Amino acid sequence: QVQLVESGGGVVQPGRSLRLSCAASGFTFSSYPMHWVRQAPGKGLEWVAVISFDGNNKYFADSVRGRFTISRDNSKNTLYLQMNSLRAEDTAVYYCARAGWIAGRQFFDYWGQGTLVTVSS
Amino acid sequence: DIQMTQSPSSLSASVGDRVTITCRASQGIRNDLGWYQQKPGKAPKRLIYAASSLQSGVPSRFSGSGSGTEFTLTISSLQPEDFATYYCLQHNSYPPWTFGQGTKVEIK
Repeated sequence: QVQLVESGGGVVQPGRSLRLSCAASGFTFSSYPMHWVRQAPGKGLEWVAVISFDGNNKYFADSVRGRFTISRDNSKNTLYLQMNSLRAEDTAVYYCARAGWIAGRQFFDYWGQGTLVTVSS
Repeated sequence: DIQMTQSPSSLSASVGDRVTITCRASQGIRNDLGWYQQKPGKAPKRLIYAASSLQSGVPSRFSGSGSGTEFTLTISSLQPEDFATYYCLQHNSYPPWTFGQGTKVEIK
């Protein structure tokens, strides 16, 4: 069955960097676009970034563009989120999610359990 | 960007009640909308796709309707395990993918 397991979260000071990982199993990872979605404490869901199946296309939310990068290693079935210049408002649970397709439109069908990132001095 | 306006933000209901949650899109999105359920400390779980199709394994008391700009999620008879937060997601025009603000369903 599809499994997505995030790791790498923790407490980090403002302005510092952190890299999240998402280990995928149970499906052909290299065939699917992958996303990061986050949720600040007590708040709603916010899409963060997407990467195409081959890593050639990447898109970001305005709130993180220029500070976060998304990448993948299809040989290791792993998705990454490199977060630089972190701010307090980046504090959230970060979920990785696999893309699914309906009528040619992409959505999120499987989610990991999330990893908490806390940006605080 | 497409904005999704979800209402109400919270509601209190009793077991057995019929519950309706609404999402409005800032522009037409055909039926490219999904509904997700999230329980505390857990990842979102997809309930409905293509506005009205029930995800496999989801109880039939959940239903979705709508097209264009207005959508509803209905729980026909609320069960104890349904107390959770519900989100709509538009996947018609992206990036960005956009969620509604969420509706917390609490026990009355």
